[in-house]
Amino acid sequence: GENVEQHPSTLSVQEGDSAVIKCTYSDSASNYFPWYKQELGKRPQLIIDIRSNVGEKKDQRIAVTLNKTAKHFSLHITETQPEDSAVYFCAASSNTGNQFYFGTGTSLTVIP
Amino acid sequence: EAGVAQSPRYKIIEKRQSVAFWCNPISGHATLYWYQQILGQGPKLLIQFQNNGVVDDSQLPKDRFSAERLKGVDSTLKIQPAKLEDSAVYLCASSPTLNTEAFFGQGTRLTVV
Repeated sequence: GENVEQHPSTLSVQEGDSAVIKCTYSDSASNYFPWYKQELGKRPQLIIDIRSNVGEKKDQRIAVTLNKTAKHFSLHITETQPEDSAVYFCAASSNTGNQFYFGTGTSLTVIP
Repeated sequence: EAGVAQSPRYKIIEKRQSVAFWCNPISGHATLYWYQQILGQGPKLLIQFQNNGVVDDSQLPKDRFSAERLKGVDSTLKIQPAKLEDSAVYLCASSPTLNTEAFFGQGTRLTVV
């Protein structure tokens, strides 16, 4: 089955700086890569996703890049704000494997 | 649009007891997932349904866990008997079909004492 690894496990940045979280996956059939944000005590919510037919996608301060050859994808948050503080999870799934697996999470703290 | 509904929100049981969780997905969503999230870890997929059929249950401890989605709508997850290590948040999620955004419920926090 799929194995998704995520780094770093914790990340602290100053407000206004950028944050980068990286994930790798093992199943070459994976073609859908969402990122979820989970605030303390709340449900995970999708913030951005990318499919394998594109290399990059951007939504305001958030962007995701995908390198299918290397089997890794990254979340980039620019101009970080205190409300960006949360745990971020990457995930990967494929049509063939029919599996939806999450990484271990990154706890992001934005210091005002 | 109503979200994914789960109940109960919290449950405390003694080890070796049984417990059941209920999930009602977003209307029209064919795919339903049950995840176990232990504190400080990522959600772990337990079972995935497409309509009323099981797509993946490879990580479901079948000696004690069972799940069903009889009419292809709502679903129940049962643990019998519970162990201390089952203490976690159990998240239900649904998506329109496979390989699309999953919408999560609020989760059920289970504590086994």
